[in-house]
Amino acid sequence: SQQGEEDPQALSIQEGENATMNCSYKTSINNLQWYRQNSGRGLVHLILIRSNEREKHSGRLRVTLDTSKKSSSLLITASRAADTASYFCATDLPYNTDKLIFGTGTRLQVFP
Amino acid sequence: GAVVSQHPSWVICKSGTSVKIECRSLDFQATTMFWYRQFPKQSLMLMATSNEGSKATYEQGVEKDKFLINHASLTLSTLTVTSAHPEDSSFYICSASETSGGPYEQYFGPGTRLTVT
Repeated sequence: SQQGEEDPQALSIQEGENATMNCSYKTSINNLQWYRQNSGRGLVHLILIRSNEREKHSGRLRVTLDTSKKSSSLLITASRAADTASYFCATDLPYNTDKLIFGTGTRLQVFP
Repeated sequence: GAVVSQHPSWVICKSGTSVKIECRSLDFQATTMFWYRQFPKQSLMLMATSNEGSKATYEQGVEKDKFLINHASLTLSTLTVTSAHPEDSSFYICSASETSGGPYEQYFGPGTRLTVT
């Protein structure tokens, strides 16, 4: 299936440290998005990166995309306890940009 | 920003009964709505895509007669789990998009936790 795999599955860091999560996918894409989910809640959209973009920034977030390796990374700089959540990458399909296929997710815990 | 609500936020029902979950876009018209299912500590799995006024498109392996989806208006979609069984217990999340044909942002509801006893 197209479902992306994220690495690591879980990550624990101290406040102030940077957190890096990686996402790999299987087929070509048009866009890749990153979402955040607090425990037992819905998803919040973080950032969208198009297939012709290599890097994008939004506040403390930095996303990179390497279409040749079919991978993306999400970097959260100067993490805070409030960043504790699960993070998912989501890709569309080359023939259907409406559907999102979610990765397996990374559970991030930031200790104060 | 765009807000999507779900109702109820949690529901417990007995095996064999049916449960309806509502998904509403509160401040925008949703051309397309999506229903996802999420098991504990797992990712979201797309169940179906619905467009207002037309039949939902179900993903492979999702029983359309068990998970009835109705997208009656541009602000409301409902998911009915018919003859629920304990294995249907899960977290159901809807999302909505103002446009189709991408790229676009999906706005997610807060989810509904279903427990079937």
